[in-house]
Amino acid sequence: DTGVSQDPRHKITKRGQNVTFRCDPISEHNRLYWYRQTLGQGPEFLTYFQNEAQLEKSRLLSDRFSAERPKGSFSTLEIQRTEQGDSAMYLCASSPPVGSGGAYNEQFFGPGTRLTVL
Amino acid sequence: GQQVMQIPQYQHVQEGEDFTTYCNSSTTLSNIQWYKQRPGGHPVFLIQLVKSGEVKKQKRLTFQFGEAKKNSSLHITATQTTDVGTYFCAGNDINQAGTALIFGKGTTLSVSS
Repeated sequence: DTGVSQDPRHKITKRGQNVTFRCDPISEHNRLYWYRQTLGQGPEFLTYFQNEAQLEKSRLLSDRFSAERPKGSFSTLEIQRTEQGDSAMYLCASSPPVGSGGAYNEQFFGPGTRLTVL
Repeated sequence: GQQVMQIPQYQHVQEGEDFTTYCNSSTTLSNIQWYKQRPGGHPVFLIQLVKSGEVKKQKRLTFQFGEAKKNSSLHITATQTTDVGTYFCAGNDINQAGTALIFGKGTTLSVSS
């Protein structure tokens, strides 16, 4: 088990371009989360999947953001028409099924994708 | 909406000194979690507290959950250089269904030897 992986690790794009990030959770984890983190701040919740269903979305998630988890395994986060304010670290986290042991909502974070919008 | 505040924002200590960070939520929490993020790294889960007044220890780290389930603290005894990093508390609003964790801004600890 190699933990949560994210790709790419870094992305530089120009304002107005679309970008897509990928997250591969720990294999037996059915719960998956996306967060955004800017310098000096804690992770900010974006969205949550249980298996393939997107069960929670933050009100902060604008229409330009969309996330998918089509087969309940990996997930993608797409940002359309990027803006400079989108520059941040995008973190993915996963959790094992409820009742499988460990803390109820313990989240295992990936290394993140650092997005820079020029 | 729910807010989670942490103080202090930064703390510098000499190795061997104790360190405490405090976390306060604007709403009652169903649970509180603590994470550590090393410089350039990602958050790593430390512990979860669920019960009112709960106290848990991990070696030199002591975690407390307040009686009203609105505040928490992390105390490190005799800090070491390996304790350097940012400590985040995060919680679930007891009145909100769902699993969205609300994180504080963190307390960044630096330790000089």
